[in-house]
Amino acid sequence: DQQVKQNSPSLSVQEGRISILNCDYTNSMFDYFLWYKKYPAEGPTFLISISSIKDKNEDGRFTVFLNKSAKHLSLHIVPSQPGDSAVYFCAASGRNRDDKIIFGKGTRLHILP
Amino acid sequence: GAVVSQHPSWVICKSGTSVKIECRSLDFQATTMFWYRQFPKQSLMLMATSNEGSKATYEQGVEKDKFLINHASLTLSTLTVTSAHPEDSSFYICSAPSQGIYGYTFGSGTRLTVV
Repeated sequence: DQQVKQNSPSLSVQEGRISILNCDYTNSMFDYFLWYKKYPAEGPTFLISISSIKDKNEDGRFTVFLNKSAKHLSLHIVPSQPGDSAVYFCAASGRNRDDKIIFGKGTRLHILP
Repeated sequence: GAVVSQHPSWVICKSGTSVKIECRSLDFQATTMFWYRQFPKQSLMLMATSNEGSKATYEQGVEKDKFLINHASLTLSTLTVTSAHPEDSSFYICSAPSQGIYGYTFGSGTRLTVV
């Protein structure tokens, strides 16, 4: 049973436009959500996170939106840049520091010139 | 910031041999270390959680006798793939909670190829 789902395996976006990556989850006990960016043969890099008490968190070009009732979150990147081309993982965890992170399968983002 | 150093970054070994992967927290204490495995085009799958001074907790379907995890100190956790087979070839990544209650730091990963 996949608790964190990223239904789009890939996404292509024109440079300068907005990239929107979506994520759905099934476990209502998740309290914290994270987005990671990963280049090939490297470890994931933390991008942005959001607590379940918020519905939006913004950091520069990256904004994460959380809709708890729909168990859905999305990552917006605007404007998209060539260096944003990577695999993006949505992840979720409980409220405790040592809770494990459950990852989605990832979405490969291609930024087109 | 918090850094987790993972070694080796890549390794090729023969079938039947064992390989040890190390993860060290360089500027913080990691009482917990998560070990993940990634297959091509698939998610990061949690294999096990190691805790300093106690036995690791393995996820369902992960063979504890095959993937030996040791968390000997607050800064070092190791994963040993014993009697490796080609199907064990994968990308292994460790991660530790850091930067306060909501942070996690990942190692750079180890690409294991078993021939």
